[in-house]
Amino acid sequence: GESVGLHLPTLSVQEGDNSIINCAYSNSASDYFIWYKQESGKGPQFIIDIRSNMDKRQGQRVTVLLNKTVKHLSLQIAATQPGDSAVYFCAENNNAGNMLTFGGGTRLMVKP
Amino acid sequence: EPEVTQTPSHQVTQMGQEVILRCVPISNHLYFYWYRQILGQKVEFLVSFYNNEISEKSEIFDDQFSVERPDGSNFTLKIRSTKLEDSAMYFCASTPGLNYGYTFGSGTRLTVV
Repeated sequence: GESVGLHLPTLSVQEGDNSIINCAYSNSASDYFIWYKQESGKGPQFIIDIRSNMDKRQGQRVTVLLNKTVKHLSLQIAATQPGDSAVYFCAENNNAGNMLTFGGGTRLMVKP
Repeated sequence: EPEVTQTPSHQVTQMGQEVILRCVPISNHLYFYWYRQILGQKVEFLVSFYNNEISEKSEIFDDQFSVERPDGSNFTLKIRSTKLEDSAMYFCASTPGLNYGYTFGSGTRLTVV
């Protein structure tokens, strides 16, 4: 039979508000983390990355926070826009750089 | 901005047939990958490739799968005898080195009927 799709948690925000998307990663040995944005029918698009020797990194309108103690990663999007609507995945690099393990994803919906 | 290019964008094939999915990684990248995403599910790692050989592969990447870099620009994924459960989006990715942001292609949607 058909496999059941992954039920994605959904974050719904008003345009202009800040968004925070959270991710729990699995491997304490992971040393590199990436946030990806995926729009319908497209490939994952790199947003921002962070290495394990940092706990915060900022980009344009985005900030990633890493808490290694509790194995938690977050993505903050400032002044969220309708174009930010997508599924967001965190990914961890857990084998000397040769493979990424993706999280389950969060759907961000931005209301105009 | 440099892109990873994948062809075809959509492939329909009969169960048991062989398919070859094609990718052109970014030209100065050294590490190449295939991932897949079954509809509505997570992106899953299949295989990584460096220096003309497989460096890591997942349990999904069984004997039905193979990869090849036949020339200086292409990177292919072959599925020898497709099964219904191989239906998925297949993404190629490349990086210039370890622990750099992977660049993904836009994917090939494989439908096995």
